[in-house]
Amino acid sequence: QSALTQPRSVSGSPGQSVTISCTGTSSDVGGYNYVSWYQQHPGKAPELMIYDVTKRPSGVPDRFSGSKSGNTASLTISGLQAGDEADYYCCSYAGTYNWVFGGGTQLTVL
Amino acid sequence: EVQLVQFGAEVKKPGESLKISCKSSGYNFPSYWIGWVRQLPGKGLEWMGIIYPRDSDTRYSPSFQGQVTISADRSITTAYLQWSSLKASDTAMYYCALKGYYGPYDAFDIWGQGTMVTVSS
Repeated sequence: QSALTQPRSVSGSPGQSVTISCTGTSSDVGGYNYVSWYQQHPGKAPELMIYDVTKRPSGVPDRFSGSKSGNTASLTISGLQAGDEADYYCCSYAGTYNWVFGGGTQLTVL
Repeated sequence: EVQLVQFGAEVKKPGESLKISCKSSGYNFPSYWIGWVRQLPGKGLEWMGIIYPRDSDTRYSPSFQGQVTISADRSITTAYLQWSSLKASDTAMYYCALKGYYGPYDAFDIWGQGTMVTVSS
């Protein structure tokens, strides 16, 4: 299975919104509503931000939202803050207890 | 408190074997799937495989099938990732992660802090 496709980098100013895309196939993103997003700060373990395409775990601000259309999922971060600067990874269930990650997107808050 | 504890670092030579651990605490160990994720230096996350400790049902990513072995010991609530013959290309950070602890979803909500494996002659 191939990695999901994400933009290498995105940027935005504090207070703005950014959207990170994640493109897969009908065998992963398009085939299941099990897309999750992870935030990873340098030197830290990943942290779950979105699961099941649109849902937020307890404690994750509602500035983070997820969506999906066809084979492409998206993560939108509104009201950008300096602390949002990190790498973001999408992940999709790909059947038979297998998952696939995206290549990662570096978010820069200008 | 639910925790997955991993040792910080291992340094090995090519051809050596290695078994790294993920010690679980604070929850019913047999009842949750534990996955392993690789992160090459400066690169992204890669899904390796997952194990269900209750019956040791194990699934591997096609990319890692035959390259590593995932196991679990219920008596000491620990999951393992092992190599029989390391290569320099195995140099990476390895994370264990719990699937769906806070809810019945297919995502990983509890992560270990990672073990950095360095393979060098």
